[in-house]
This record gives sequence, structure tokens and C-alpha cells, in this order.
Amino acid sequence: GESVGLHLPTLSVQEGDNSIINCAYSNSASDYFIWYKQESGKGPQFIIDIRSNMDKRQGQRVTVLLNKTVKHLSLQIAATQPGDSAVYFCAETANDYKLSFGAGTTVTVRA
Amino acid sequence: GAVVSQHPSRVICKSGTSVKIECRSLDFQATTMFWYRQFPKQSLMLMATSNEGSKATYEQGVEKDKFLINHASLTLSTLTVTSAHPEDSSFYICSARSTGRLNTEAFFGQGTRLTVV
Repeated sequence: GESVGLHLPTLSVQEGDNSIINCAYSNSASDYFIWYKQESGKGPQFIIDIRSNMDKRQGQRVTVLLNKTVKHLSLQIAATQPGDSAVYFCAETANDYKLSFGAGTTVTVRA
Repeated sequence: GAVVSQHPSRVICKSGTSVKIECRSLDFQATTMFWYRQFPKQSLMLMATSNEGSKATYEQGVEKDKFLINHASLTLSTLTVTSAHPEDSSFYICSARSTGRLNTEAFFGQGTRLTVV
């Protein structure tokens, strides 16, 4: 069935560099997307969201880009810090119902 | 942001016993709550959608008689794992979405680590 997936399972980044995490989705009806951060042993933590009528949204040190043409979502983290080390999930929903999660990307920040 | 509290955070039980996990929305009302299961190094898999005052909707492959869900109020949903077996050992996570707000993020509990021995 349709699902949300991630291109890369792991990402190693030098502290201070920018990180880019990618996500592909297949449900063309999806209209709302969220990025979550999950630290070991904890529940997902909301990072940023974007609706399908937008293609870019910025938060504090984070930017989400949405390309509906190719069904691609990305999360950019500026000046990556050690505290950014975690697993990042994209999630999508259609018609404001249940969320479907991607496989997750493990981000490791090198000092 | 809104707070979802999940209890207990860790539980160890013997095979054949039942375990109840609570999920509370502390500062908002949640018509709908969701229960997920997460195995190590895997993503969150939706188990069921819990609707206040009605029966839960289970995802394909999830046994409704084994994973009992009760959503008795707008701030509390419970998941009971009945007759637990070692293969039920997992990280269970609930989430809640605020009533009446469209296109909003779901807030997650801190998760419950269940170990069945």
C-alpha cells in the first residue's frame, strides 16, 4: 500500500554543518506533513510541519521543503549541534486523519 | 505545546498476564487518540485509533481481543495487552490530537517500554 519512506537510514554530520534529511511519500492525497525527532527511549517530538498549499516553511534552525510534483519532503537543520543527534521521522496524513510514519533517519553529529 | 502523559514508562510482566497502559492529554481535550508500537530500530506502526465514546478502529493485523482499547473520556485512553507473550515486548506510544483543530500536529506520550518475561 501507499506509505511514507526515507531515502537514507543514517546520516553522519560534522558539528556546525548543515544537515539535510529526505523523505519520499507516495500518497498523492496527503495534505499535511510533519517532521518528528525521537531520542532513544522517548516518544516523538514535534519539530515542524507544513501543509500541502506551501512549499517551504522555516522554524528555528530548521526548514522544511515540500515538492508535491515529485512527492518529496526534506528537513534542513542549520548549524547541527550534538543535541540534534536522534532519529528523525517524517509523517503524513490525508484529510486530517491518522499519521503514517516513514522509516526514520538516524542522525549522528560528530564533534 | 500540549502535553500527553503516558504511564507507566516501563513495565515488566510475566507471560500470560495483562498490562494496562494509560495515555492522558493533560491540557487539552482529545476526541481521538492513537496507539503505536515500535520495535527496535524501526518506525512507529499504528495499531489502532481510539475514539472517545466509541469502539476503537484497529489496523489490519492487530488483534482487537488482545489489545483492548478504552477511551472513556476526552482526556484518557487506555491500552491493555491481554495474555502477554514475549513477542509483545515492544515500545508502545500513544498520541493525541486536539479536538476541533484541523491540520494540527499530534502530540506524543513518552512511550511505555513493555518487557514480557
